[in-house]
Amino acid sequence: DAGVIQSPRHEVTEMGQEVTLRCKPISGHNSLFWYRQTMMRGLELLIYFNNNVPIDDSGMPEDRFSAKMPNASFSTLKIQPSEPRDSAVYFCASSFYREVGGYTFGSGTRLTVV
Amino acid sequence: AQTVTQSQPEMSVQEAETVTLSCTYDTSESDYYLFWYKQPPSRQMILVIRQEAYKQQNATENRFSVNFQKAAKSFSLKISDSQLGDAAMYFCAYRWEDDKIIFGKGTRLHILP
Repeated sequence: DAGVIQSPRHEVTEMGQEVTLRCKPISGHNSLFWYRQTMMRGLELLIYFNNNVPIDDSGMPEDRFSAKMPNASFSTLKIQPSEPRDSAVYFCASSFYREVGGYTFGSGTRLTVV
Repeated sequence: AQTVTQSQPEMSVQEAETVTLSCTYDTSESDYYLFWYKQPPSRQMILVIRQEAYKQQNATENRFSVNFQKAAKSFSLKISDSQLGDAAMYFCAYRWEDDKIIFGKGTRLHILP
């Protein structure tokens, strides 16, 4: 298996633009998680899907952020409009539901909003 | 609310020596899982070791072992025979039955040649 695949690896955009981050989970995994990592706040859970259904989005910072999982093999995290304070590394992770072994993470997308 | 605390922002250890990274957590749950993840400069998050709370025996993976003290809510990571490739950020993490993992702020480990 190729692991969790995220794209793009790096994204630089101007303030006010729409940004879409993409994730392909490991085949067969039915839980998917989006995290944001910053120096100040560490790793924050943004949203969690199970069987393509959003279970907990309490970590989504504001309405500018939205996430979808239209099928078991694809998820997106969208920021519209983007702001400089959204600059961070965004990770996608997947697992089997309540898997003992923890999550498998993608390589992350480094987002810079200028 | 569950929390994970890593009190050591940075640590250094001489190559081939042993180092222990500390982690405490707060929970009212009795059944949960604990993890240590490694994040090298490549930023990939790599699972190092895991511990099920119902198991009294401490987990071991090659040079990595944990000291799990359930009553004290402590979960430290010991790295033996430190190698240059161990240099990374290490995150302690907690997972409970609703499937979410929360992470500590991390400890940056430097290996001195």
